[in-house]
Amino acid sequence: GAVVSQHPSRVICKSGTSVKIECRSLDFQATTMFWYRQFPKKSLMLMATSNEGSKATYEQGVEKDKFLINHASLTLSTLTVTSAHPEDSSFYICSARDRDRWFFGPGTRLTVL
Amino acid sequence: AQSVTQPDIHITVSEGASLELRCNYSYGATPYLFWYVQSPGQGLQLLLKYFSGDTLVQGIKGFEAEFKRSQSSFNLRKPSVHWSDAAEYFCAVGSPYSSASKIIFGSGTRLSIRP
Repeated sequence: GAVVSQHPSRVICKSGTSVKIECRSLDFQATTMFWYRQFPKKSLMLMATSNEGSKATYEQGVEKDKFLINHASLTLSTLTVTSAHPEDSSFYICSARDRDRWFFGPGTRLTVL
Repeated sequence: AQSVTQPDIHITVSEGASLELRCNYSYGATPYLFWYVQSPGQGLQLLLKYFSGDTLVQGIKGFEAEFKRSQSSFNLRKPSVHWSDAAEYFCAVGSPYSSASKIIFGSGTRLSIRP
Protein backbone atom coordinates (compact mmCIF):
# COMPACT_ATOMS: atom_id res chain seq x y z
CA GLY A 1 0.00 0.00 0.00
CA ALA A 2 0.90 3.64 -0.14
CA VAL A 3 3.57 4.82 2.25
CA VAL A 4 4.60 8.20 3.52
CA SER A 5 8.10 8.59 4.87
CA GLN A 6 9.67 11.28 7.00
CA HIS A 7 13.29 12.18 7.45
CA PRO A 8 14.86 12.43 9.89
CA SER A 9 12.98 10.37 12.43
CA ARG A 10 14.71 12.14 15.27
CA VAL A 11 16.75 15.34 15.43
CA ILE A 12 18.43 17.26 18.22
CA CYS A 13 19.59 20.79 17.57
CA LYS A 14 20.82 23.83 19.41
CA SER A 15 18.62 26.80 20.08
CA GLY A 16 18.78 29.33 17.25
CA THR A 17 19.49 26.87 14.47
CA SER A 18 17.10 25.83 11.70
CA VAL A 19 15.92 22.29 11.09
CA LYS A 20 14.43 20.84 7.92
CA ILE A 21 12.06 17.87 7.98
CA GLU A 22 11.19 16.02 4.77
CA CYS A 23 7.95 14.26 3.98
CA ARG A 24 7.77 11.98 0.95
CA SER A 25 4.96 10.04 -0.63
CA LEU A 26 6.68 6.90 -1.86
CA ASP A 27 4.34 5.41 -4.43
CA PHE A 28 1.77 8.04 -5.25
CA GLN A 29 1.67 11.70 -6.14
CA ALA A 30 0.26 14.04 -3.54
CA THR A 31 -0.86 17.50 -4.60
CA THR A 32 -1.79 18.14 -0.99
CA MET A 33 0.16 17.32 2.12
CA PHE A 34 -0.48 18.30 5.71
CA TRP A 35 1.78 19.05 8.65
CA TYR A 36 0.76 18.33 12.23
CA ARG A 37 2.39 18.90 15.56
CA GLN A 38 1.86 16.67 18.56
CA PHE A 39 2.90 17.53 22.10
CA PRO A 40 3.51 14.69 24.59
CA LYS A 41 0.27 12.92 25.46
CA LYS A 42 -1.68 15.41 23.39
CA SER A 43 -3.57 15.35 20.14
CA LEU A 44 -2.36 16.20 16.66
CA MET A 45 -2.74 19.87 15.87
CA LEU A 46 -2.92 20.77 12.21
CA MET A 47 -0.29 23.39 11.40
CA ALA A 48 -0.67 23.88 7.68
CA THR A 49 -1.79 22.48 4.38
CA SER A 50 0.98 22.18 1.84
CA ASN A 51 -0.03 22.65 -1.80
CA GLU A 52 2.24 21.57 -4.63
CA GLY A 53 3.44 24.55 -6.60
CA SER A 54 1.79 27.17 -4.43
CA LYS A 55 1.97 28.71 -1.00
CA ALA A 56 1.01 26.72 2.05
CA THR A 57 -2.15 27.50 3.96
CA TYR A 58 -1.47 27.96 7.65
CA GLU A 59 -3.89 27.38 10.49
CA GLN A 60 -4.71 30.23 12.78
CA GLY A 61 -1.99 30.90 15.30
CA VAL A 62 0.79 29.18 13.37
CA GLU A 63 3.66 31.48 12.46
CA LYS A 64 4.37 31.05 8.76
CA ASP A 65 7.77 32.74 9.05
CA LYS A 66 8.69 30.33 11.81
CA PHE A 67 7.51 27.17 10.10
CA LEU A 68 8.46 27.37 6.44
CA ILE A 69 6.74 24.88 4.17
CA ASN A 70 7.81 24.05 0.66
CA HIS A 71 6.02 21.60 -1.63
CA ALA A 72 8.23 21.69 -4.68
CA SER A 73 7.21 18.36 -6.19
CA LEU A 74 4.28 15.97 -6.11
CA THR A 75 6.14 13.62 -3.80
CA LEU A 76 7.99 15.93 -1.44
CA SER A 77 7.04 18.52 1.11
CA THR A 78 9.48 20.04 3.58
CA LEU A 79 8.94 21.79 6.90
CA THR A 80 11.72 24.05 8.11
CA VAL A 81 11.66 25.18 11.71
CA THR A 82 13.60 28.42 11.65
CA SER A 83 15.56 29.76 14.61
CA ALA A 84 14.36 26.87 16.72
CA HIS A 85 13.80 27.32 20.43
CA PRO A 86 13.12 24.76 23.18
CA GLU A 87 9.39 25.43 22.95
CA ASP A 88 9.50 24.14 19.37
CA SER A 89 10.45 20.72 20.67
CA SER A 90 7.67 18.41 19.60
CA PHE A 91 6.64 15.49 17.43
CA TYR A 92 5.96 16.58 13.85
CA ILE A 93 3.82 14.37 11.63
CA CYS A 94 3.07 14.80 7.96
CA SER A 95 0.18 13.41 5.99
CA ALA A 96 -0.40 13.00 2.28
CA ARG A 97 -3.68 12.60 0.51
CA ASP A 98 -4.27 10.20 -2.37
CA ARG A 99 -7.84 10.69 -3.62
CA ASP A 100 -10.04 9.56 -0.72
CA ARG A 101 -7.26 8.15 1.41
CA TRP A 102 -4.97 9.94 3.82
CA PHE A 103 -1.63 8.46 4.80
CA PHE A 104 0.46 9.53 7.76
CA GLY A 105 4.19 9.51 8.13
CA PRO A 106 5.90 7.95 11.17
CA GLY A 107 6.74 11.35 12.60
CA THR A 108 9.88 13.32 13.45
CA ARG A 109 10.90 13.95 17.05
CA LEU A 110 12.50 17.38 17.33
CA THR A 111 14.40 18.29 20.47
CA VAL A 112 15.80 21.79 20.76
CA LEU A 113 18.42 22.26 23.46
CA ALA B 1 -15.68 25.05 10.84
CA GLN B 2 -15.34 21.38 11.48
CA SER B 3 -14.47 20.16 14.97
CA VAL B 4 -14.50 16.93 16.90
CA THR B 5 -14.90 16.23 20.59
CA GLN B 6 -13.80 13.20 22.56
CA PRO B 7 -15.26 13.71 26.04
CA ASP B 8 -13.33 10.93 27.75
CA ILE B 9 -9.66 11.66 28.39
CA HIS B 10 -8.85 8.30 29.94
CA ILE B 11 -10.78 5.05 30.15
CA THR B 12 -9.81 1.84 31.92
CA VAL B 13 -11.55 -1.43 31.13
CA SER B 14 -10.87 -4.99 32.12
CA GLU B 15 -9.45 -7.38 29.60
CA GLY B 16 -12.30 -9.20 27.89
CA ALA B 17 -14.81 -6.47 28.66
CA SER B 18 -16.60 -4.45 26.04
CA LEU B 19 -15.48 -0.98 25.05
CA GLU B 20 -17.13 2.14 23.74
CA LEU B 21 -15.21 5.34 23.02
CA ARG B 22 -17.27 8.42 22.39
CA CYS B 23 -16.86 10.93 19.59
CA ASN B 24 -19.02 13.88 18.63
CA TYR B 25 -18.45 16.14 15.67
CA SER B 26 -19.54 19.54 14.51
CA TYR B 27 -19.98 20.09 10.80
CA GLY B 28 -22.61 21.56 8.50
CA ALA B 29 -23.16 18.32 6.63
CA THR B 30 -21.97 14.75 6.89
CA PRO B 31 -18.20 14.81 7.14
CA TYR B 32 -15.71 12.09 6.55
CA LEU B 33 -15.18 10.35 9.89
CA PHE B 34 -12.18 8.36 11.07
CA TRP B 35 -10.83 6.50 14.06
CA TYR B 36 -7.08 6.18 14.46
CA VAL B 37 -5.00 4.42 17.08
CA GLN B 38 -1.54 5.43 18.26
CA SER B 39 0.55 3.17 20.46
CA PRO B 40 3.40 4.66 22.52
CA GLY B 41 6.23 5.67 20.25
CA GLN B 42 4.32 4.53 17.19
CA GLY B 43 2.70 6.24 14.26
CA LEU B 44 -0.98 6.54 13.53
CA GLN B 45 -2.90 3.52 12.34
CA LEU B 46 -6.30 3.83 10.71
CA LEU B 47 -8.90 1.61 12.40
CA LEU B 48 -11.87 2.49 10.23
CA LYS B 49 -13.53 5.29 8.30
CA TYR B 50 -16.99 6.40 7.26
CA PHE B 51 -17.73 8.32 4.11
CA SER B 52 -21.30 7.33 3.27
CA GLY B 53 -23.64 4.35 3.09
CA ASP B 54 -24.09 1.81 5.87
CA THR B 55 -23.84 3.65 9.16
CA LEU B 56 -22.22 0.70 10.95
CA VAL B 57 -18.62 0.47 9.87
CA GLN B 58 -16.36 -2.49 10.48
CA GLY B 59 -12.67 -1.90 10.98
CA ILE B 60 -9.51 -3.76 11.74
CA LYS B 61 -8.69 -5.54 15.00
CA GLY B 62 -12.34 -6.25 15.72
CA PHE B 63 -13.37 -2.60 16.05
CA GLU B 64 -16.56 -1.10 14.70
CA ALA B 65 -18.12 2.35 14.77
CA GLU B 66 -21.63 3.61 14.21
CA PHE B 67 -22.46 6.93 12.58
CA LYS B 68 -25.54 8.55 14.10
CA ARG B 69 -26.48 11.69 12.25
CA SER B 70 -29.15 12.73 14.75
CA GLN B 71 -26.58 12.72 17.56
CA SER B 72 -23.61 13.92 15.48
CA SER B 73 -21.73 10.97 16.89
CA PHE B 74 -19.34 8.32 15.67
CA ASN B 75 -18.62 6.10 18.66
CA LEU B 76 -16.05 3.32 18.49
CA ARG B 77 -16.85 -0.09 19.94
CA LYS B 78 -15.22 -3.42 20.53
CA PRO B 79 -17.03 -6.37 22.13
CA SER B 80 -13.99 -7.77 23.96
CA VAL B 81 -10.76 -5.86 24.50
CA HIS B 82 -7.31 -7.37 24.62
CA TRP B 83 -4.32 -6.09 26.57
CA SER B 84 -2.73 -5.10 23.26
CA ASP B 85 -5.55 -2.59 22.69
CA ALA B 86 -4.03 -0.26 25.29
CA ALA B 87 -3.19 2.87 23.32
CA GLU B 88 -4.35 6.38 22.46
CA TYR B 89 -7.41 6.59 20.25
CA PHE B 90 -8.23 9.57 18.08
CA CYS B 91 -11.47 10.39 16.35
CA ALA B 92 -11.06 12.67 13.34
CA VAL B 93 -13.18 14.49 10.79
CA GLY B 94 -12.51 15.59 7.27
CA SER B 95 -14.42 17.67 4.79
CA PRO B 96 -15.72 15.99 1.66
CA TYR B 97 -16.43 19.38 0.12
CA SER B 98 -13.00 20.90 0.14
CA SER B 99 -10.30 20.12 -2.37
CA ALA B 100 -7.78 20.28 0.46
CA SER B 101 -9.84 18.05 2.75
CA LYS B 102 -7.77 18.49 5.84
CA ILE B 103 -8.35 16.12 8.74
CA ILE B 104 -8.97 17.54 12.19
CA PHE B 105 -8.33 15.36 15.22
CA GLY B 106 -10.10 15.12 18.52
CA SER B 107 -8.18 15.42 21.76
CA GLY B 108 -7.83 11.67 22.09
CA THR B 109 -8.86 9.02 24.61
CA ARG B 110 -6.23 6.99 26.38
CA LEU B 111 -7.31 3.41 26.86
CA SER B 112 -5.81 1.35 29.68
CA ILE B 113 -6.53 -2.34 30.11
CA ARG B 114 -6.92 -3.87 33.55
CA PRO B 115 -5.58 -7.46 33.71
